[in-house]
Amino acid sequence: QSVLTQPPSVSGAPGQRVTISCTGSSSNIGAAYDVHWYQQLPGTAPKLLIYGNSNRPSGVPDRFSGSKSGTSASLAITGLQAEDEADYYCQSYDSSLSGYVFGTGTKVTVL
Amino acid sequence: QVQLQESGPGLVKPSETLSLTCSVSGGSISSYYWSWIRQPPGKGLEWIGDIYYSGSTNYNPSLKSRVTMSVDTSKNRISLNLRSVTAADTAVYYCARIQFGGFDYWGQGTLVTVSS
Repeated sequence: QSVLTQPPSVSGAPGQRVTISCTGSSSNIGAAYDVHWYQQLPGTAPKLLIYGNSNRPSGVPDRFSGSKSGTSASLAITGLQAEDEADYYCQSYDSSLSGYVFGTGTKVTVL
Repeated sequence: QVQLQESGPGLVKPSETLSLTCSVSGGSISSYYWSWIRQPPGKGLEWIGDIYYSGSTNYNPSLKSRVTMSVDTSKNRISLNLRSVTAADTAVYYCARIQFGGFDYWGQGTLVTVSS
């Protein structure tokens, strides 16, 4: 039931920069609702990585950054590290659903 | 540091009711919205619904007919009931706190399997 679309997978070598897109519509991201990003390491609960489109919670490395434009958002990871290998999800609010929506999820692989 | 802990049966029979509790420690349940989110094995995240500490609720339309959430401020916990479950309801169920429109604290999750 995901209404936010992400690429299934992205990969990069250690030290490289990767980006993950999150495409929504006029009822969620395009309606000016904030986008949030989560990192889910294997076998663990999701962890808030970026909130309010581009803000990092305390303790999140500045290698992670978020942006939003129009009906899409992006998460960038610079200086990719082995420990960044995880699933990443975007999330927003949808006015048509009157509830919260998640992206389809992206698996990041460090080559 | 706010901590959330889900608890409940790990196995539920088809057509029965799934009941889970989320206990919150390290902070008050008051003045926040709290949510249940689930993740079927190998799949993505699905928002089930949320509840304010006052008891007002908002449910995912796809589950609304089967879901009830409640809050017990005296025990600092929230509860989830999902009726008439099927195998499609097998998932890891998470509780989470809502802040700024996102989910800032999560429980570790509990796997619920629907099977006879």
